[in-house]
Amino acid sequence: DTAVSQTPKYLVTQMGNDKSIKCEQNLGHDTMYWYKQDSKKFLKIMFSYNNKELIINETVPNRFSPKSPDKAHLNLHINSLELGDSAVYFCASTPYGGYGYTFGSGTRLTVV
Amino acid sequence: GENVEQHPSTLSVQEGDSAVIKCTYSDSASNYFPWYKQELGKRPQLIIDIRSNVGEKKDQRIAVTLNKTAKHFSLHITETQPEDSAVYFCAASSTGNTPLVFGKGTRLSVIA
Repeated sequence: DTAVSQTPKYLVTQMGNDKSIKCEQNLGHDTMYWYKQDSKKFLKIMFSYNNKELIINETVPNRFSPKSPDKAHLNLHINSLELGDSAVYFCASTPYGGYGYTFGSGTRLTVV
Repeated sequence: GENVEQHPSTLSVQEGDSAVIKCTYSDSASNYFPWYKQELGKRPQLIIDIRSNVGEKKDQRIAVTLNKTAKHFSLHITETQPEDSAVYFCAASSTGNTPLVFGKGTRLSVIA
């Protein structure tokens, strides 16, 4: 009974393609995030959503567009994929005003 | 914005010895400091956290100390075991809803 689930787990695609990653949490949390972990393991915030509304959008190319259809889901769509987009993308959630993230299992994106 | 520095980047210890990882942060408004453990190919998992009204917290072999005046906090692992080998991340945030800013990680190797 996975708390934060991401699909797909692995994604290999060619440059220039458009792809989506899905995230769902069944914890009843209000806030969800997308983080990017590069090859050096650095975890960097991309987006933060609270109850379906965008709260934080860090300096991320506008080829990346998050969408939250409801507070349990936060998807990430990436247009015109580039080699530098290759990374592991983690979704996470936390209760509103709460502490302690629960991370999804990650999506390893490889752009060739 | 917040900036978190973490040292060392790699750490090797003999089984049974102690390991210490140190972090500093820049934003004096930060009040929440979690530590995450990430095993190879897995998601980051919360192992211990501390809030700014507490100077030290312990959970079995793991302890975290916080010095708000100096803006640094540390993770202490005693009686290390091979299964402690992983990448450890410190993080900081100013409220429960502000995205965590992570340090760059410490790769801990426990040698049997």
